[in-house]
Amino acid sequence: ETGVTQSPTHLIKTRGQQVTLRCSSQSGHNTVSWYQQALGQGPQFIFQYYREEENGRGNFPPRFSGLQFPNYSSELNVNALELDDSALYLCASSLGASGSTDTQYFGPGTRLTVL
Amino acid sequence: GENVEQHPSTLSVQEGDSAVIKCTYSDSASNYFPWYKQELGKGPQLIIDIRSNVGEKKDQRIAVTLNKTAKHFSLHITETQPEDSAVYFCAASFGGANNLFFGTGTRLTVIP
Repeated sequence: ETGVTQSPTHLIKTRGQQVTLRCSSQSGHNTVSWYQQALGQGPQFIFQYYREEENGRGNFPPRFSGLQFPNYSSELNVNALELDDSALYLCASSLGASGSTDTQYFGPGTRLTVL
Repeated sequence: GENVEQHPSTLSVQEGDSAVIKCTYSDSASNYFPWYKQELGKGPQLIIDIRSNVGEKKDQRIAVTLNKTAKHFSLHITETQPEDSAVYFCAASFGGANNLFFGTGTRLTVIP
């Protein structure tokens, strides 16, 4: 086990709704990264937070946003859900001094289905 | 940005045989190359990683090789067991970003 937890496990939403996914990182890990994994694909980087500040973003629109809290928890928020947002959402924590390539430890993911 | 290609997409081997999965990357600045195993319904689990100052790394039945000149790296699993059956992903990353670029995955099936 990686010590990274995510909730909920599964979630079903309808198009246009908003969703919040949660992640709890390993204690002491200052960096959290979020990835979207479509069925049959590798994970794609959404964004990363280091000490509560966004520290990099992939090719995702602004309706994907995040927060990181001092207690090693974090959130991914998605507004105006689209059908293509259906995927497994993964968070990964790392020790993460900014600019480092520390090992990333993944949680089990949240399976989001948009109808 | 970085582009990681992974082959093959599926691989079936007999128990006890070896399995090799290959990846290529495009950005010469990449310097960290992890391999993850993902079982059904679970998140990716790190199995081995290598940094660009090393050409080979081994951990029991698993080894990874890196050729920086050719920009490719490979995963080698020896003496495969049925519990090795899973989807394997390679990834690449470079300092300053610390986000991982993943390959498209290889579904490994070990036949008892």
